[in-house]
Amino acid sequence: NAGVTQTPKFQVLKTGQSMTLQCAQDMNHEYMSWYRQDPGMGLRLIHYSVGAGITDQGEVPNGYNVSRSTTEDFPLRLLSAAPSQTSVYFCASRSSLNQPQHFGDGTRLSIL
Amino acid sequence: RKEVEQDPGPFNVPEGATVAFNCTYSNSASQSFFWYRQDCRKEPKLLMSVYSSGNEDGRFTAQLNRASQYISLLIRDSKLSDSATYLCVVLGGYQKVTFGTGTKLQVIP
Repeated sequence: NAGVTQTPKFQVLKTGQSMTLQCAQDMNHEYMSWYRQDPGMGLRLIHYSVGAGITDQGEVPNGYNVSRSTTEDFPLRLLSAAPSQTSVYFCASRSSLNQPQHFGDGTRLSIL
Repeated sequence: RKEVEQDPGPFNVPEGATVAFNCTYSNSASQSFFWYRQDCRKEPKLLMSVYSSGNEDGRFTAQLNRASQYISLLIRDSKLSDSATYLCVVLGGYQKVTFGTGTKLQVIP
């Protein structure tokens, strides 16, 4: 069972570059989310989706875009990378609002 | 007051010890509660759900106290492999998922 798959696992970017972090799940989950985790801080919600075609902003959405064209995929786009976006990014999915989230194994992103 | 608060630790305990963590939450309407485990530089993994009547899974016991608005995790007979950061997660209303910042446990030989 693949669960939640994130690619790439590691990435180094230069300031101003753009890129897309991929997230796919094969559990037919409606709810998907993107988080970032910085040292000494908890997980912070960037964007989330409650189903195909529906997305909304989380706690720290600035500098990121998302789309949800299919149930399976929820890519996160960095529009113009900044050093402050250096972080570990986790994608998560769940089947319903009262169920726990399942996480991908993360993308470690460094912006120089 | 933070929505979800945890003692960051670290809790340093010898092998075989019993250790307990608490997590307080501020929203009395919170509906579901979970404990996750996160190893260094890895993704959070679900450890167990927390039910109103309390629940046990092997050496782990989770409890919920709605009156005082906290959940707890008890680990008995600690193993070296239990060393990790333990995150509490609180589900509130529509799409509201709040993570604690985690409690670090280090089990010492």
